[in-house]
Amino acid sequence: DGGITQSPKYLFRKEGQNVTLSCEQNLNHDAMYWYRQDPGQGLRLIYYSQIVNDFQKGDIAEGYSVSREKKESFPLTVTSAQKNPTAFYLCASSAYGGANSYGYTFGSGTRLTVV
Amino acid sequence: DQQVKQNSPSLSVQEGRISILNCDYTNSMFDYFLWYKKYPAEGPTFLISISSIKDKNEDGRFTVFLNKSAKHLSLHIVPSQPGDSAVYFCAASARGNFNKFYFGSGTKLNVKP
Repeated sequence: DGGITQSPKYLFRKEGQNVTLSCEQNLNHDAMYWYRQDPGQGLRLIYYSQIVNDFQKGDIAEGYSVSREKKESFPLTVTSAQKNPTAFYLCASSAYGGANSYGYTFGSGTRLTVV
Repeated sequence: DQQVKQNSPSLSVQEGRISILNCDYTNSMFDYFLWYKKYPAEGPTFLISISSIKDKNEDGRFTVFLNKSAKHLSLHIVPSQPGDSAVYFCAASARGNFNKFYFGSGTKLNVKP
């Protein structure tokens, strides 16, 4: 079955630590995205990548970093510079460099909590 | 500042009746709109879309209406079924920039049997 897998489902981070959230897709999609969801707010775009070895900042990229060394993988690192990292993180992918009329395919998310 | 707003955090409807979920946007450059459905512990899944050249798009029990002058769209579900109980997000993009969708905060729909 093709899909997009995020791991882990739950992640706890101590203050000052960097953590990396995994996102893997086997849909052969070109573009991948990271969104953040906070209570009462919509999904906000952190980073996106249209092709391997290239990525662009979204609206809230500060304190985050990404890499796109393989088409299938788009890991997100939440660095210690991110002041308020506790949130629900969603990874998505789409074909042909952007969402078409069918939108994105989302993973099931990672809930990150700072302890 | 949120450019896409869903002002009703929750909605409760009886099975068989109509569910109407609303979404407002502020950016007049938005020209493509999507609705997503999300079950607990799962990612959102695409439901239906509409472009600004249309004012209505229908897919089975789901219809999306777009009122460009009011910067408002709505999702109608008729008839509502208990399996429709989920969180619904609307999303918008500008000038075909599909790499950048703006999402609302979601409306949790509960369809009572």
